[in-house]
Amino acid sequence: ETGVTQSPTHLIKTRGQQVTLRCSSQSGHNTVSWYQQALGQGPQFIFQYYREEENGRGNFPPRFSGLQFPNYSSELNVNALELDDSALYLCASSAGLTTSTDTQYFGPGTRLTVL
Amino acid sequence: DAKTTQPNSMESNEEEPVHLPCNHSTISGTDYIHWYRQLPSQGPEYVIHGLTSNVNNRMASLAIAEDRKSSTLILHRATLRDAAVYYCILSNYGQNFVFGPGTRLSVLP
Repeated sequence: ETGVTQSPTHLIKTRGQQVTLRCSSQSGHNTVSWYQQALGQGPQFIFQYYREEENGRGNFPPRFSGLQFPNYSSELNVNALELDDSALYLCASSAGLTTSTDTQYFGPGTRLTVL
Repeated sequence: DAKTTQPNSMESNEEEPVHLPCNHSTISGTDYIHWYRQLPSQGPEYVIHGLTSNVNNRMASLAIAEDRKSSTLILHRATLRDAAVYYCILSNYGQNFVFGPGTRLSVLP
């Protein structure tokens, strides 16, 4: 059981705008990771937060930023949207810090379309 | 770049076993092998993971080669609900998941 929820389900924005995507992790999970999944590809790691601090970042520019809150919710913010930002955005929560053995529980994703 | 290679697609008949291969020739001694799958219109879900020994759970079995350079995910009896993209991922402490394109499994009735 994932227990991870994301909102909104779908979103349409125009180039240059800013967007905030939200994720609610499973209770007790201190780690949240965000991924971008383009059509037909596997998810690409954006960044990870552990106990409200960024704990690792993939190859994404600074206009991708995040926040994690004490109530197991988190946000992904994207500024100055570009057409290539159109994708499915996934969040995943896990109990600990290590991906060696910790299971990641993914939400259903937010489909962002940039026009 | 993903550290694993998988076939782009595979096909299986319903109620037959399915063997999904994964090559990871550059695996390190402390890399874990994870399998996740992504059903249509859903986020990925955990299937199984292992280090050296073969692993079984209620969903599948993971067979790991003795030299650990390859592994096979085994679905013992494929159902239509098993149609998904299956990802084989290596992970170590402090490293984040690197997903490749995965294997798209089609299950024929």
